[in-house]
Amino acid sequence: QVQLQESGPGLVKPSETLSLTCTVSGYSISSGYYWGWIRQPPGKGLEWIGSISHSANTYYNPSLKSRVTISVDPSMNQFSLQLSSLTAADTAVYFCARALLGTRGGFDPWGQGTLVTVSS
Amino acid sequence: EIVLTQSPGTLSLSPGESAALSCRASQSLSTKYLAWYQQKPGQAPRLLIYSASSRATGVPDRFSGSGSGTDFTLTVTRLEPEDFAVYYCQQYFSSPYNFGQGTKLEIK
Repeated sequence: QVQLQESGPGLVKPSETLSLTCTVSGYSISSGYYWGWIRQPPGKGLEWIGSISHSANTYYNPSLKSRVTISVDPSMNQFSLQLSSLTAADTAVYFCARALLGTRGGFDPWGQGTLVTVSS
Repeated sequence: EIVLTQSPGTLSLSPGESAALSCRASQSLSTKYLAWYQQKPGQAPRLLIYSASSRATGVPDRFSGSGSGTDFTLTVTRLEPEDFAVYYCQQYFSSPYNFGQGTKLEIK
């Protein structure tokens, strides 16, 4: 079955750039679907960050668009998130997920999530 | 941008009872691109319902979704102890694909 796993630093400094990678197993990214990033600040709700296709078509949340870059590496079966100019408000659990077939925004399955803390 | 408003914020019920969770959209979702997720502490969200009323694989038939346009409902019948969690709706009709703020279903 399809499984996703986030990886990256757990602690980053303010003003720096966060880089996270999602490794997909059990399915080839090149075969299709959109793939997304979602985040959840501690104790709060879910926020869609953006989605990318296997051919690198991207859709971003306008609230984050100026700071976000999502990329895909089909050869590694991975997709990545970069978020720049970090502040404490970016502290959150970051999830990667596969979008529902034919869509860009309903998600199943999800990775387990990785906590990123922004602090000096 | 479509805003989703979930109600109630918290719902206190006993096992065996039924729950009705509401999700209202600020604009019509003409394609019924509305999903429901369940999230337990320390876990990733789990897809329960997609396209407003289709159950995801492995989801018990105690969970059902209904609605169209701007008003959607997740109904959980015969509540089991493992059903007490936070539930989110999400629209994937129009970017940004916003989530509702969540409804916490707690044991009374």
